Amino acid sequence: GQNIDQPTEMTATEGAIVQINCTYQTSGFNGLFWYQQHAGEAPTFLSYNVLDGLEEKGRFSSFLSRSKGYSYLLLKELQMKDSASYLCAVKDSNYQLIWGAGTKLIIKP
Amino acid sequence: GAVVSQHPSWVICKSGTSVKIECRSLDFQATTMFWYRQFPKQSLMLMATSNEGSKATYEQGVEKDKFLINHASLTLSTLTVTSAHPEDSSFYICSARWAGETEAFFGQGTRLTVV
Repeated sequence: GQNIDQPTEMTATEGAIVQINCTYQTSGFNGLFWYQQHAGEAPTFLSYNVLDGLEEKGRFSSFLSRSKGYSYLLLKELQMKDSASYLCAVKDSNYQLIWGAGTKLIIKP
Repeated sequence: GAVVSQHPSWVICKSGTSVKIECRSLDFQATTMFWYRQFPKQSLMLMATSNEGSKATYEQGVEKDKFLINHASLTLSTLTVTSAHPEDSSFYICSARWAGETEAFFGQGTRLTVV
């Protein structure tokens, strides 16, 4: 079956760095997405990786290793507003998005 | 650009009634729209995929007669929850993309409460 694993919850301190991991086993691979979702709101797009390596976008970076079925989202200089759930999603061979359950990130002052 | 508007943001309805949720792409032609349901503290569950002018493709376990999806134009898709029951209370989210685009853009979501 298809499976996406990410930690349920993480806690970090304001100003610090946090890495949220995502491992996947899917039927085919056509890209990996990271979304941010605040409680009661729809997800917002953060990043898209289809080739191996690191994509940097401001305070957020996303890494992909296709051979390992692994990605991480790196958040630097954490701010209180970064408290949210972070969803990893993989597009499979049918171009369907397979969603992880999300990682709830709690930022403490 | 790439704005998707979903309406209403929240709705409360009585058990047994029907509720219609609209999803509009405001500045692009959405050839494909997706409808998701999200229960508290759970991830998004794809309900159906609709292509403009075609019948929606429903995911396994989603009742097509209960969740009616219409994608009659390139800018509008609707989800109608028929004969709603309290267990249908959930957060419903649509997303849309145009042909050839990798990313799908999300609407704001609709919080449905059936009492």
